[in-house]
Amino acid sequence: NAGVMQNPRHLVRRRGQEARLRCSPMKGHSHVYWYRQLPEEGLKFMVYLQKENIIDESGMPKERFSAEFPKEGPSILRIQQVVRGDSAAYFCASSPSTSGLAHGELFFGEGSRLTVL
Amino acid sequence: QQQVKQSPQSLIVQKGGISIINCAYENTAFDYFPWYQQFPGKGPALLIAIRPDVSEKKEGRFTISFNKSAKQFSLHIMDSQPGDSATYFCAAARPAQKLVFGQGTRLTINP
Repeated sequence: NAGVMQNPRHLVRRRGQEARLRCSPMKGHSHVYWYRQLPEEGLKFMVYLQKENIIDESGMPKERFSAEFPKEGPSILRIQQVVRGDSAAYFCASSPSTSGLAHGELFFGEGSRLTVL
Repeated sequence: QQQVKQSPQSLIVQKGGISIINCAYENTAFDYFPWYQQFPGKGPALLIAIRPDVSEKKEGRFTISFNKSAKQFSLHIMDSQPGDSATYFCAAARPAQKLVFGQGTRLTINP
């Protein structure tokens, strides 16, 4: 039973390029969350999605960042025109349902580490 | 938006000792308080969690103590082992809402 799968694990981009991070939730999970972790810092919430819907994007920067979770396929976090400050580890987590969320049962992937040169 | 404050930032404990990490929260609507453990290069993994209707929960060497009136909770690791060396995050959530994490504590257990 595969866990949350994220790819790529490592991504290097030059300033101004686009970064696309993908997340496949655990089987049977329909809720996806994206968190950002800066070096030596905690996990900052970015966005919460269900299939085809953005539920909470209160942690997403207003510009350059977008996320989707289509009916088919993985969730994607997209960062346009990357800047050096975007360098971080981006973690995806999934949960099976809102009842699972009420219990905080998030299962995390191993993260995608973005480096912007 | 720092709703959960965690301390200390780093902690060094001798093997066999007790590791204690503290967290304080502001929002009284929080009803779920988990602790996550993260090893270098890995994602966080749920370690233990508590709800505010109990004051303590124990799972093996790990114990959460919860003080609702003080809005504080802590993680105790008994008989700490080198394999416990990791970063620990406390978190809190309102019903059906996202997890809000503390800043993390880097724990080092010296052999």
